[in-house]
Amino acid sequence: DQQVKQNSPSLSVQEGRISILNCDYTNSMFDYFLWYKKYPAEGPTFLISISSIKDKNEDGRFTVFLNKSAKHLSLHIVPSQPGDSAVYFCAAVPGPSGYSTLTFGKGTMLLVSP
Amino acid sequence: NAGVTQTPKFRVLKTGQSMTLLCAQDMNHEYMYWYRQDPGMGLRLIHYSVGEGTTAKGEVPDGYNVSRLKKQNFLLGLESAAPSQTSVYFCASSYFDQGDGEQFFGPGTRLTVL
Repeated sequence: DQQVKQNSPSLSVQEGRISILNCDYTNSMFDYFLWYKKYPAEGPTFLISISSIKDKNEDGRFTVFLNKSAKHLSLHIVPSQPGDSAVYFCAAVPGPSGYSTLTFGKGTMLLVSP
Repeated sequence: NAGVTQTPKFRVLKTGQSMTLLCAQDMNHEYMYWYRQDPGMGLRLIHYSVGEGTTAKGEVPDGYNVSRLKKQNFLLGLESAAPSQTSVYFCASSYFDQGDGEQFFGPGTRLTVL
């Protein structure tokens, strides 16, 4: 049973436009959400996160939106740049009740063309 | 400050052979993790450790063993490799419980089992 779903395996966007990557989750106990970015032949790197007490978190060109009622979050990249081409993983963790591990989605490959 | 390093970067094994993957971190992190990444499957947690001398099973622990004899090292062992263990293996570490912070990933080990 996949608890974190990224239903779009890939996304193509032109440079300068907005990229929107989506993530859905099924576990209502998830309390904290993270996005990781991964280039080929490298390990994932942390990009941005959001707590369930917020509905938006912004960091430069990257904004994550959380809709708890819909169990949906999205990552917006504005403006998109060719260097943003990578695989993006959504991850979630339950609330603080002892140690909790991350659950990752399958990833979305973003291609930003010049 | 090297962050998280993994040894080796590549390895080819024959079915039934054994090997150990080494992960080292120099950030004094308490928590360490081993993931595998397969095409279309995202990152799946194999084993993790919440401190020196501790280990715990993740989502896909079968066929693997781990040890955390020193805080900075986390070893992943395959006693009898199988073709199904062909994958890219990532080690990660974090200081806090994941609800508070991010995980730092190593560059990965690409393992092929023939």
